[in-house]
Amino acid sequence: DGGITQSPKYLFRKEGQNVTLSCEQNLNHDAMYWYRQDPGQGLRLIYYSQIVNDFQKGDIAEGYSVSREKKESFPLTVTSAQKNPTAFYLCASNIYSGEQFFGPGTRLTVL
Amino acid sequence: QQQVKQSPQSLIVQKGGISIINCAYENTAFDYFPWYQQFPGKGPALLIAIRPDVSEKKEGRFTISFNKSAKQFSLHIMDSQPGDSATYFCAAESPRSSYKLIFGSGTRLLVRP
Repeated sequence: DGGITQSPKYLFRKEGQNVTLSCEQNLNHDAMYWYRQDPGQGLRLIYYSQIVNDFQKGDIAEGYSVSREKKESFPLTVTSAQKNPTAFYLCASNIYSGEQFFGPGTRLTVL
Repeated sequence: QQQVKQSPQSLIVQKGGISIINCAYENTAFDYFPWYQQFPGKGPALLIAIRPDVSEKKEGRFTISFNKSAKQFSLHIMDSQPGDSATYFCAAESPRSSYKLIFGSGTRLLVRP
């Protein structure tokens, strides 16, 4: 089955800790995206990548970092510099435009 | 100019009724307008999408109406069912913005039995 997988489903972070969220796709898509969703709000773009070894900041990149070493993978690291990281994180991909396919999400909670 | 404004924030409809959600935009470079459906705790999924060369697109009970001159588009859900209860997001994309999707703030729809 083709699709996007995100892991873990739930993640807990202590103060001052970096955590990494995994996103993998087997759709052969060139572009991948990370969004943050807060309760009752829309999706805000954190980072996106349109090609391997290249990525761009979105609207709320501060406190986050990404890498794109493989076409299939686009991990997101939430650093200790992100002061309010509790949110639902969504990864998506597409060929380069049009329909974005979303993963099931990772819910991050700061303890 | 990059914003997509969505209304209403929440909507309650009786089973069998029509649900209408509206979005407005300013950027005339937008050329792709999708609607996504999201159930609690899940990722959004594409429901229906339109490009500005047509004024309406229908897929089953779901219809997008597009008004290019007014820079508005809307989602109509006919014969709304309790299973349609979800959050709906409109979005817009422009090639001048690296094809990034700009999302509206979402509408939480509740369809009462």
